[in-house]
Amino acid sequence: DQQVKQNSPSLSVQEGRISILNCDYTNSMFDYFLWYKKYPAEGPTFLISISSIKDKNEDGRFTVFLNKSAKHLSLHIVPSQPGDSAVYFCAADRGSTLGRLYFGRGTQLTVWP
Amino acid sequence: KAGVTQTPRYLIKTRGQQVTLSCSPISGHRSVSWYQQTPGQGLQFLFEYFSETQRNKGNFPGRFSGRQFSNSRSEMNVSTLELGDSALYLCASSLATGPSTDTQYFGPGTRLTVL
Repeated sequence: DQQVKQNSPSLSVQEGRISILNCDYTNSMFDYFLWYKKYPAEGPTFLISISSIKDKNEDGRFTVFLNKSAKHLSLHIVPSQPGDSAVYFCAADRGSTLGRLYFGRGTQLTVWP
Repeated sequence: KAGVTQTPRYLIKTRGQQVTLSCSPISGHRSVSWYQQTPGQGLQFLFEYFSETQRNKGNFPGRFSGRQFSNSRSEMNVSTLELGDSALYLCASSLATGPSTDTQYFGPGTRLTVL
């Protein structure tokens, strides 16, 4: 039962353009959402998060938008850089589930020069 | 502050053997969660420990177990290894200071190959 879904397994973007990664969830009890970036043979690196009481959170080139009514969130990277090429995971948490994150399957972002 | 460390980084075992993986959380972090990552299933939650107690467990067989020590370091053990246990095993730590959600920070993982 995949409660967090990333329907695009891959995304290719030119350097300097905007990258938009999407994520949908089914469980309305989720109250905290995170994005992680992962390079091969490394653990996921935390990028940015958003609480369900907000609809936007920004950190440098990264902005996460949350649309609770649509159960949808997106990560915007502007401008995209070749070093951003990695797999991006969306994750969600319910406060009651004690240390358990629910992950999407990931989106491979490729930023080309 | 040092990040989450995991040892060993790579491990090769044969079917039927058992294996123990170790995780040292970020200093001050009290919660340690373990995940299995495989190409087919993505990141799957194994279990979570806090103050030496398992508080949460995912849907894995009893061959997968873990523990946490008083210094918050954690180990996970897999007994009677199967080929399907080949995966990247990740641990993550968080502060867990209150009821609200904490960000989890991941280690580099242990790549386990079962032959």
